[in-house]
Amino acid sequence: IAGITQAPTSQILAAGRRMTLRCTQDMRHNAMYWYRQDLGLGLRLIHYSNTAGTTGKGEVPDGYSVSRANTDDFPLTLASAVPSQTSVYFCASSEQGGDYNEQFFGPGTRLTVL
Amino acid sequence: SQQGEEDPQALSIQEGENATMNCSYKTSINNLQWYRQNSGRGLVHLILIRSNEREKHSGRLRVTLDTSKKSSSLLITASRAADTASYFCATPPSGSARQLTFGSGTQLTVLP
Repeated sequence: IAGITQAPTSQILAAGRRMTLRCTQDMRHNAMYWYRQDLGLGLRLIHYSNTAGTTGKGEVPDGYSVSRANTDDFPLTLASAVPSQTSVYFCASSEQGGDYNEQFFGPGTRLTVL
Repeated sequence: SQQGEEDPQALSIQEGENATMNCSYKTSINNLQWYRQNSGRGLVHLILIRSNEREKHSGRLRVTLDTSKKSSSLLITASRAADTASYFCATPPSGSARQLTFGSGTQLTVLP
């Protein structure tokens, strides 16, 4: 593989269920990010990680958690999904954290919470 | 909080014409990035312009930055149908996190 992969591609989920979105990169980038994209709102940062073992909250972190056990993987977990979490989720990575670095994006996961 | 905002929200032009999109932001920045998103795909980085640069070129793309007006523009010359996409500017928000924030984008349609 090359770049960033996300799984699943799409998912329909009942409200209240737990769901983990997977993200893997093979570029050995230090920083990784999770965004959600809603129509008319652009991308909003959920959580980020500047290096393995550390994470930080973005603009809309409530209802989501992340972990960064190693460099390559950055899973996003919805502990108890709600309909307002219906969105397209993008994972991204960059060589380093901060705003000078180009971000590389995965293909996205389309999540519908009913 | 949204730092950058693109204008117009939507733009439709004929193939071969130039397309100009604008981005306005609220607070001082060190740099500004432009990204493209084709329908149903992830974003792709186009260009980064630093605060001490006024203009930057990459192929058919020309980006300008006016820090006094807190605005940037993206010009695509001699547009092609394949340029049809959404275009986003990305800037670091105010505060110390220094993570990028994205505007809501300009949807560009290039008609053949």
